[in-house]
Amino acid sequence: DAGVIQSPRHEVTEMGQEVTLRCKPISGHNSLFWYRQTMMRGLELLIYFNNNVPIDDSGMPEDRFSAKMPNASFSTLKIQPSEPRDSAVYFCASSQMDRSGNTIYFGEGSWLTVV
Amino acid sequence: KQEVTQIPAALSVPEGENLVLNCSFTDSAIYNLQWFRQDPGKGLTSLLLIQSSQREQTSGRLNASLDKSSGRSTLYIAASQPGDSATYLCAGSGGSYIPTFGRGTSLIVHP
Repeated sequence: DAGVIQSPRHEVTEMGQEVTLRCKPISGHNSLFWYRQTMMRGLELLIYFNNNVPIDDSGMPEDRFSAKMPNASFSTLKIQPSEPRDSAVYFCASSQMDRSGNTIYFGEGSWLTVV
Repeated sequence: KQEVTQIPAALSVPEGENLVLNCSFTDSAIYNLQWFRQDPGKGLTSLLLIQSSQREQTSGRLNASLDKSSGRSTLYIAASQPGDSATYLCAGSGGSYIPTFGRGTSLIVHP
């Protein structure tokens, strides 16, 4: 398997523009996570999907952020409108999660800069 | 809610030294604990996963232990090498199965 695939790898956009980040999880995994990483706050969970259903979105900062998982092989994280404070690395991760938990696999991240 | 703390935040050691990275968590009802490595500009790579029923896991020069009663895990790196330089993060999963990450320990191994 190619691993978790994220796009774009890098994006620079102007404040107010819409940003869409994309993720393809590992085939067969039932859980998908979106994390945001910054120097100030470390790695924060934004949203967690299980079997394509959002289970925990308490980490989504505000209404400007939305995430979807229309099928088991694709997810998007959208920011509209974007602001400079959204600049961060956004990671998608997937896992075959069960009661005992399992290894989580991360993508290479999407490096977002909002100017 | 699970909270994870890692000490030290940064560590610099000479090549060949054995070292220990520490991770503490607040919820002892932990399902598993994972250690990850992150290289600059890269994603996280899983190193070791310890299930709640286990006490330790080993992979090559790495050994991770889990003590649920004290809320601690350690990552032991034997005979450190410059290639081990990276940030090491631990993540604990509780009742929600969602991993909560520490801030990481930035390790530099100098020749």
